[in-house]
Amino acid sequence: SYELTQPPSVSVSPGQTAIITCSGDQLGNKYSCWYQQKPGQSPLLVINQDTERPSGIPERFSGSNSGNTATLTISGTQTLDEADYFCQTWDSNTAIFGGGTKLTVL
Amino acid sequence: QVQLLQSGAEVKKPGASVKISCQASGYAFSGYYMHWVRQAPGQGPEWMGRINPGSGGSTYALKFQGRVTMTRDASTSTFYMEMSGLTSEDTAMYYCARPRNSGFDFWGQGTLVRVS
Repeated sequence: SYELTQPPSVSVSPGQTAIITCSGDQLGNKYSCWYQQKPGQSPLLVINQDTERPSGIPERFSGSNSGNTATLTISGTQTLDEADYFCQTWDSNTAIFGGGTKLTVL
Repeated sequence: QVQLLQSGAEVKKPGASVKISCQASGYAFSGYYMHWVRQAPGQGPEWMGRINPGSGGSTYALKFQGRVTMTRDASTSTFYMEMSGLTSEDTAMYYCARPRNSGFDFWGQGTLVRVS
């Protein structure tokens, strides 16, 4: 079965750029999405279709997808961006999620 | 505004069944499939399946086939997800989620199911 692999944790200083990766076989041939999840809350879609930012999502969030890796980039990271981030794609008509990356901003 | 309002937390014994509801509002009920996703404590989300609100036809993830049934009631704009044969491994937060393109743009608040 298809799998998406994310680093368990990423740390960044406020104002710096956070990069979170998501790896999967030929992932660049599929669309990828990214979700932010804070404790006790439902996931929030921050990137759709590789690069699309839904309405209300700040411009500092951007995405890319090529080869075997999708990337979420947060420019000028703020303390309020501290959360778990999950990638997601589709394979054989099934939605697949990554295990998640905990972003720490300190 | 789009809202997905789920039913409250459940505590079940092993072997029991659970039925969770998700009432949709703020958009055309028949315009979007509804998906169900669960998330065990400390884990990534796991897709369970989806239902076509018009036909009622559903597609389930292989792991849940034979154990999960998704239904809908168009008269109340409500979706249901029923799971049987519960074990402790089914303890998780269960979400309904509306799709948009390849992602899910609206999620319910979640329903905690504890099997103990």
